[in-house]
Amino acid sequence: AQSVTQLDSQVPVFEEAPVELRCNYSSSVSVYLFWYVQYPNQGLQLLLKYLSGSTLVKGINGFEAEFNKSQTSFHLRKPSVHISDTAEYFCAVTYTGGFKTIFGAGTRLFVKA
Amino acid sequence: DAEITQSPRHKITETGRQVTLACHQTWNHNNMFWYRQDLGHGLRLIHYSYGVHDTNKGEVSDGYSVSRSNTEDLPLTLESAASSQTSVYFCATQSGRGDLNTGELFFGEGSRLTVL
Repeated sequence: AQSVTQLDSQVPVFEEAPVELRCNYSSSVSVYLFWYVQYPNQGLQLLLKYLSGSTLVKGINGFEAEFNKSQTSFHLRKPSVHISDTAEYFCAVTYTGGFKTIFGAGTRLFVKA
Repeated sequence: DAEITQSPRHKITETGRQVTLACHQTWNHNNMFWYRQDLGHGLRLIHYSYGVHDTNKGEVSDGYSVSRSNTEDLPLTLESAASSQTSVYFCATQSGRGDLNTGELFFGEGSRLTVL
């Protein structure tokens, strides 16, 4: 079965520290990979996406992610977080055959002063 | 700017009542989706549509229905609301047009439904 696993449900971190949010997926077919961010009481918005080409992709707000095909991972990183990065982050996989998307359970990032 | 409008944003209803959540988009996207968001589960797909008069069941479709009579709207109906359907519901769209479709989803602000 196709699935997306976010390895951490909550990640507390101090302001200006680096952070990595981990995501693994299972798939035997071509996929597009995404990270979405959800701020409180809002819908999800796209943070970054991997479609093809360079395995390191950069997104908004200083976030980046690296696609690792052999490990079927797409971990999200930021070298220095801000209080305003406190939100829930979702890893998602879209299967190119049918364009349905499967989401991970989400990771709550808490940035502390 | 193009947008996705969900209504109502908040609703409280009673068990057994029929409820319809509206979703209207001005992106002119072919693909539309309904998800529910519950703690610990992320987003789970309820129903989706790839165009007018096309509807498909997602992984948690029991107790829900949709219809697509035009490009802009995909209302979600709970035929007989149950407490287990208390959740936050998100409508999303996707281009669906050949090379323009990168799979990216565009989301509405969500509708919070409480079933008492």
